[in-house]
This record gives sequence, structure tokens and C-alpha cells, in this order.
Amino acid sequence: SQKIEQNSEALNIQEGKTATLTCNYTNYSPAYLQWYRQDPGRGPVFLLLIRENEKEKRKERLKVTFDTTLKQSLFHITASQPADSATYLCALEGGDSWGKFQFGAGTQVVVTP
Amino acid sequence: NAGVTQTPKFQVLKTGQSMTLQCAQDMNHNSMYWYRQDPGMGLRLIYYSASEGTTDKGEVPNGYNVSRLNKREFSLRLESAAPSQTSVYFCASTSTSVGEQFFGPGTRLTVL
Repeated sequence: SQKIEQNSEALNIQEGKTATLTCNYTNYSPAYLQWYRQDPGRGPVFLLLIRENEKEKRKERLKVTFDTTLKQSLFHITASQPADSATYLCALEGGDSWGKFQFGAGTQVVVTP
Repeated sequence: NAGVTQTPKFQVLKTGQSMTLQCAQDMNHNSMYWYRQDPGMGLRLIYYSASEGTTDKGEVPNGYNVSRLNKREFSLRLESAAPSQTSVYFCASTSTSVGEQFFGPGTRLTVL
């Protein structure tokens, strides 16, 4: 069955450092991969989308890579700030599930001053 | 623009009761989605609607029904609530089937 794995352990990081999150998937050939941010008690907010033919995408301090051979996406937050503390979700779409997204469980990031 | 709105924000039901969760978007989006989010399990798709008049099952449709009333509104109905349906429910919409999804604030449902 299709599976998406994100590290369930919280990532504790010092302000100013780079946070790196992993999204691994199996039995999936996604055409698109998205990353979302979710704050406690709120709905997810879209951050970035990367297509299968793109290796890397950047937006301000965020960078996403997509390796279809390794079946993995990495999400980087550079120069992290306490305001970056949240849960980050990856979502995959594509293959035979056109229009439907499957989400990972998310990884919590805690940035301490 | 209000974006995606959901009502109610909180609800407590007894087992066997029914209720409808309402969702509306004012962004003229074609596709709308209903998800549930449980601790440690992430978001799971219940139903989605690619366009007005069409609906399709997601990963966990059992126990739920949906109605795409018009382009703006997409409702989720629980006919006979069960404790296993205790969850946070999110509605989302997108302009294309692969674009960014805009989520509502969620409905926190407890079934006793």
C-alpha cells in the first residue's frame, strides 16, 4: 500500500541553525509534492509545491528537494527563528490518484532562542 | 475574502446522533476536500469533489456522506455518529487539482 513517512520525533533546533525535515514515500509515483505548515489548533497552510521533474525549489528561507530515485523529499528551513516553530506536513499527489492528496503525519519543529 | 469557512467550530454528539458539517469557500475554486486529522495519523481524505456536481471517495469514506451543493459549498454528513469518528475535520479547496490547498479552521468533533 502507499505510505508516506515523516519523522514522528520533534526536531529541536537552535535559532539561526538550519532545520532539515524528511519525507519518504513507498509504492507511490507522485507527480507533485507539497509542504504545509500547521500551527496548533489551526488548519494547514501551503508553503511550497515541487514537481517530479524539478530537483529543487526555494522560497525565501525555505528549500525543498525532490529525489524520485530515493523516493524522498527534504525540506530545509535556513536561519531558523522561533516563529518557525510548528508542525510541517508533506503531501503527495499523482499516479492513479489524480486530484487526491495523501498527507504524512508531520514533523514538529521547535526553534529555541 | 473569508477564504474557507467551516461551521460549527466545536460539536459534541452522542453515539447514533447525526449532524452535518458545513464548508464554504469564496475563492471560486473548483475542487473541494474533506479530511479528518487524528493524533499521529496526519490528514486522511474522506471525500473530495473535483467540480460542482461530482464527488468521489477518499481513503476513509465509511460512515460519511457528502453533498456538493454548488460551487461554493461542500457539506459532510454523519448519519449515525460513532466514537471512532471523534476527530478534527478540515475542509479544503483548490483552484486546480494539483494546486495549493486552502484549509478551513477545522471542526473539533467529539462523539460520546
